[in-house]
Formats: sequence, structure tokens, C-alpha cells
Amino acid sequence: KNEVEQSPQNLTAQEGEFITINCSYSVGISALHWLQQHPGGGIVSLFMLSSGKKKHGRLIATINIQEKHSSLHITASHPRDSAVYICAVPYGGSQGNLIFGKGTKLSVKP
Amino acid sequence: NAGVTQTPKFQVLKTGQSMTLQCAQDMNHNSMYWYRQDPGMGLRLIYYSASEGTTDKGEVPNGYNVSRLNKREFSLRLESAAPSQTSVYFCASSGGGLKYFGPGTRLLVL
Repeated sequence: KNEVEQSPQNLTAQEGEFITINCSYSVGISALHWLQQHPGGGIVSLFMLSSGKKKHGRLIATINIQEKHSSLHITASHPRDSAVYICAVPYGGSQGNLIFGKGTKLSVKP
Repeated sequence: NAGVTQTPKFQVLKTGQSMTLQCAQDMNHNSMYWYRQDPGMGLRLIYYSASEGTTDKGEVPNGYNVSRLNKREFSLRLESAAPSQTSVYFCASSGGGLKYFGPGTRLLVL
């Protein structure tokens, strides 16, 4: 079974700061997911990536398959980025089933 | 497109009562999932359905049953609710590698 570890568990930043959230996993995978859970509880998929880097607006996700590590970066952070960010990797050999990390709670202060 | 919808949004049950959580998606996805989310833990897979007519157990299936009624609908049933099933339940579907989540059902079992 794959284990997923995220760090930090909690993160407080000032508006405008560059944010980095880390995710490590124990078993080799072909793709990794980043999700965002809003304070109201809704969950949105941000990225699925299998190599290199993906960018969407101010969000950048990177992955190093050999080192079993991924990072999610937020540039020019804003209070609306405050959310829980969750990393997830495939489970049981199926790409559709995911094991989720416990999440990183980000709070961006104005 | 409504995406993934879930009903009810909130429910209180007494121990031993039964209920069915409903989920529907309008994105023509084959795969659908039921997760539970508990404080301090990552999302955990209860059951999934890779296609219409098939269902499989996930990580925490005990105490639950599911029905994939058609391609759109995937329901989760608690036959005899227990306090340990107090949780937030999310339905999801996947297409193009990404997951699409419903808004969640908050269930309290007394």
C-alpha cells in the first residue's frame, strides 16, 4: 500500500508570498494528483501529472518520479488561496483509485 | 452541466437506522467513487464502480453497500448506521484522469 506524506501540515503566509507544499510517497507511481478543498468543503482537482511540471495561473506543480516527491507552488499568494491542499496517488494498481494525503491547511493573511 | 450532485446535504440518524446517499453525474463518466472524510485523516475510498454494472470494495467498505443504478447514478446505503459512520461523504466521478467531486453529505449518527 502506498503511503502519502504531506508537509507542512499547516501553513500561514502573508499575501504576496511564494508558497511551497510538499508531498512524498512510498511506492512508485505513474501519476500524482493535487486537489484543493475550499473552506466550505468543496473539493476541486487542480492537477494530474506524471512528469516534469504543470502550470495553471499562479499554481505550479512539479514531480520527481525517481525521488517519489512532488511540490505544489503558489506564486503571489492571495487570501482566496486559503484552503486545504491535498496530494493523492494511485491505489491498488488502478489509476482511478487514489490514496490521499491528510492535506496541508493554508491560510493567507491580507 | 451540474457536474456531480449529491443528496442529502446533511442528515442525522439514530444508531440502527438505515439511509441511502444519492449521487449523480452528468459528464458521461464511466468511473464513480464514494469516499468518507474524517478529521485528521485523508479521504478514504469506500466503494467504487469502474463502469455501469460493476462495483468493487475500496479501503473501508464495512457497513456499506452500493448500487450503480445506471451510468449516471451511484448510491451508497447504510443498512444499520453506527456512530463510527459519522463522517462527511463525498461522491466523485473521473474522466480524463481528473476527479470531479460532489459537494458532500454531512452525516451524524447518534
